[in-house]
Amino acid sequence: AQSVTQPDARVTVSEGASLQLRCKYSSSVTPYLFWYVQYPRQGLQLLLKYYSGDPVVQGVNGFEAEFSKSNSSFHLRKASVHWSDSAVYFCAVSMMGSGTYQRFGTGTKLQVVP
Amino acid sequence: NSKVIQTPRYLVKGQGQKAKMRCIPEKGHPVVFWYQQNKNNEFKFLINFQNQEVLQQIDMTEKRFSAECPSNSPCSLEIQSSEAGDSALYLCASSRDSSGNTLYFGEGSRLIVV
Repeated sequence: AQSVTQPDARVTVSEGASLQLRCKYSSSVTPYLFWYVQYPRQGLQLLLKYYSGDPVVQGVNGFEAEFSKSNSSFHLRKASVHWSDSAVYFCAVSMMGSGTYQRFGTGTKLQVVP
Repeated sequence: NSKVIQTPRYLVKGQGQKAKMRCIPEKGHPVVFWYQQNKNNEFKFLINFQNQEVLQQIDMTEKRFSAECPSNSPCSLEIQSSEAGDSALYLCASSRDSSGNTLYFGEGSRLIVV
């Protein structure tokens, strides 16, 4: 079965600085990969997803992620963070095929400070 | 704003009481998922449906929960006898298909078992 590890429970960055949130996955085949964001008292919203092709995928609000098969990783990046990016970010993995469900990491809480 | 509607947003139940949550999936999405998110941000997949049929469910769901997605009515998830360990955020998500596609989440129903 697939699994996801987000090694950093909390990350603090200064406003305007660059950001990388780490995600490592475990899967016997190339999975589908997702990044979601959860703001306080809200559900999860999709930032971006990777199915195949170009390993760098662009998402909403200036986020991008890079798939690396050799490193089993799907790290999220942003060139310049804003205070409104403060939230919890979740990486998720699933397999192609009917009846599959996404497995989530335990999230990274991002705090953007002035 | 979420197009997946979950009610109630909060519910408080005593141990042994029933706890029922409802979900209206996004229009045109035949697949519905229920997840439990605990205070440590660990996600537990509970059950998923395609139209009215159960695709997959975990043992806990089969033994302690009652869930359905009737035609032309909200989906529901009901804990038959609440336990302290059931205190969590219950997230409903819908999808266009069951093959690992993007999930669209509601804002969740937060259950507190006292």
